[in-house]
Amino acid sequence: AQSVTQPDIHITVSEGASLELRCNYSYGATPYLFWYVQSPGQGLQLLLKYFSGDTLVQGIKGFEAEFKRSQSSFNLRKPSVHWSDAAEYFCAVGDGGGADGLTFGKGTHLIIQP
Amino acid sequence: DAGVIQSPRHEVTEMGQEVTLRCKPISGHNSLFWYRQTMMRGLELLIYFNNNVPIDDSGMPEDRFSAKMPNASFSTLKIQPSEPRDSAVYFCASSLAGQGFWIDNEQFFGPGTRLTVL
Repeated sequence: AQSVTQPDIHITVSEGASLELRCNYSYGATPYLFWYVQSPGQGLQLLLKYFSGDTLVQGIKGFEAEFKRSQSSFNLRKPSVHWSDAAEYFCAVGDGGGADGLTFGKGTHLIIQP
Repeated sequence: DAGVIQSPRHEVTEMGQEVTLRCKPISGHNSLFWYRQTMMRGLELLIYFNNNVPIDDSGMPEDRFSAKMPNASFSTLKIQPSEPRDSAVYFCASSLAGQGFWIDNEQFFGPGTRLTVL
């Protein structure tokens, strides 16, 4: 069975500093990987996704993520965070085909210090 | 496009009552998903449909939970009878799924229904 681990429950970063959120997955075949962001009281918004090809993927809001098969990781990065980036971030893995449900990690709560 | 629409946004009910959550997927999407979010368990997939047909309901916690999709534009998740441990945020998501490979079938999430069972 597939699983996703986000080892950091909370992360605090100063505004303007760089950010890296960790994600490790367990999956038997080629994974389809996603990062979603959830603002308080809101639904989830897709930041970026990886299916195949270039292992460094660009997303919205200045985020990027790198797929490393050897480490079973898909870490999310941003070179300079803004106060508006404070939110909950979820990594997820899917079976592929587009019609299967996603398995989510428990999420990382990002706090931005002024 | 209005996005995925869920109703109600908030529901407070008493233990033992029947609860019905509603979802309208994005027009043209052929896959619909119900997720539940709790502090303890995070986001869990409950059930999903392809072309209105339930494909996998292994995430449905108990027989008290049931879901239907009578047509392409509407789905319900029903809990009968409800219990305090069902308190959670329930999300509906929809996507346009390809055949055999991902096209651009991002799952679009609704705003969720916050359910409180007293």
